[in-house]
Amino acid sequence: DQQVKQNSPSLSVQEGRISILNCDYTNSMFDYFLWYKKYPAEGPTFLISISSIKDKNEDGRFTVFLNKSAKHLSLHIVPSQPGDSAVYFCAASVGNNNDMRFGAGTRLTVKP
Amino acid sequence: NAGVTQTPKFRVLKTGQSMTLLCAQDMNHEYMYWYRQDPGMGLRLIHYSVGEGTTAKGEVPDGYNVSRLKKQNFLLGLESAAPSQTSVYFCASSVTGFGDYEQYFGPGTRLTVT
Repeated sequence: DQQVKQNSPSLSVQEGRISILNCDYTNSMFDYFLWYKKYPAEGPTFLISISSIKDKNEDGRFTVFLNKSAKHLSLHIVPSQPGDSAVYFCAASVGNNNDMRFGAGTRLTVKP
Repeated sequence: NAGVTQTPKFRVLKTGQSMTLLCAQDMNHEYMYWYRQDPGMGLRLIHYSVGEGTTAKGEVPDGYNVSRLKKQNFLLGLESAAPSQTSVYFCASSVTGFGDYEQYFGPGTRLTVT
């Protein structure tokens, strides 16, 4: 039962353009959402997060949007850079629960 | 400051063999986690620990045991390996287990069971 879903296994964009990565969830109890980035042969690294009381959080080139009614969040990267090429995981948790659920990941390729 | 380290990086086991994966963190984090990553499945939590001497089951605990005898170490054991346990295993640690806590991950251990 995958409670967090990333339906696009891969995404390719041109350098300088916007990358939009999407994530859907089914558990309405989730109240914290995170994005992790993973390079080959490395562990995931934290990128950005958002709590359910917000609908947007921004950190430099990265913005996460949360639509609670649609149970959907997205990560926008503007402008995209070749160094952003990686696998991006969406994750969600209930506030007082140590059981974080991850999506299957989306492989982003940014072409020069 | 090495962060989170995992030993070994690669391992091949025969069905029925046992092994222990070691995770170490030098950030004085209370919380530690073991995940497995399989194609198309994302990361799934196997076991976690909220402090020295404590362990708890995650989403997929069957076939694994863990121990947290020292705060900085979290061991994952496979008593009798099965081909279904072929996976990439990640250890992680965090300051807290509440809210949008950032987890720090190790580089992973690729395990193949034949």
